[in-house]
Amino acid sequence: SAVISQKPSRDICQRGTSLTIQCQVDSQVTMMFWYRQQPGQSLTLIATANQGSEATYESGFVIDKFPISRPNLTFSTLTVSNMSPEDSSIYLCSASGTVTGYTFGSGTRLTVV
Amino acid sequence: GQNIDQPTEMTATEGAIVQINCTYQTSGFNGLFWYQQHAGEAPTFLSYNVLDGLEEKGRFSSFLSRSKGYSYLLLKELQMKDSASYLCAVRDKGNTPLVFGKGTRLSVIA
Repeated sequence: SAVISQKPSRDICQRGTSLTIQCQVDSQVTMMFWYRQQPGQSLTLIATANQGSEATYESGFVIDKFPISRPNLTFSTLTVSNMSPEDSSIYLCSASGTVTGYTFGSGTRLTVV
Repeated sequence: GQNIDQPTEMTATEGAIVQINCTYQTSGFNGLFWYQQHAGEAPTFLSYNVLDGLEEKGRFSSFLSRSKGYSYLLLKELQMKDSASYLCAVRDKGNTPLVFGKGTRLSVIA
């Protein structure tokens, strides 16, 4: 299955600023997704990153707050904009390249102060 | 809507067997996945079921009943390193994103 390199692994940011998280996959994958995982909680889907078109966002998540890019089949970015302490969480990218293989990046632990 | 339920926490003894249940109600169904997640790490894939029955992979087995909207993950010969969260996730069609349950935190004690 695909291997995903995600960075940064962690960051501490000031409120009001933005952070861009990158995921690089070692092979072409059909689908890429972005999840958020708050402490002690399970994964909540933010959006599906579509290659060459706008991302598809889940209810409660909007493009202005979480702009996503997917310029090709191996790379995607998620930006957390105008951050507040409520955005402190772990952000994970995921890729689907085979019927069974949904792989995850190692996650970005974001703390907003 | 989609609803996936699993117990919040379980405790089991080293060397024993534990079964983690998952029930789901989704608009479609194209596979059920189990993931293991250690604290501070990303989820890792354990198993995938799309047809009814039992899939065995070493110490881990997963069962699916589509008519009942039910799955379980069976862990045998428990080891301390099996202490982790176990996430049940469903894909409703095609290559769509997985929808996750809240996860079951398993503690293995001596």
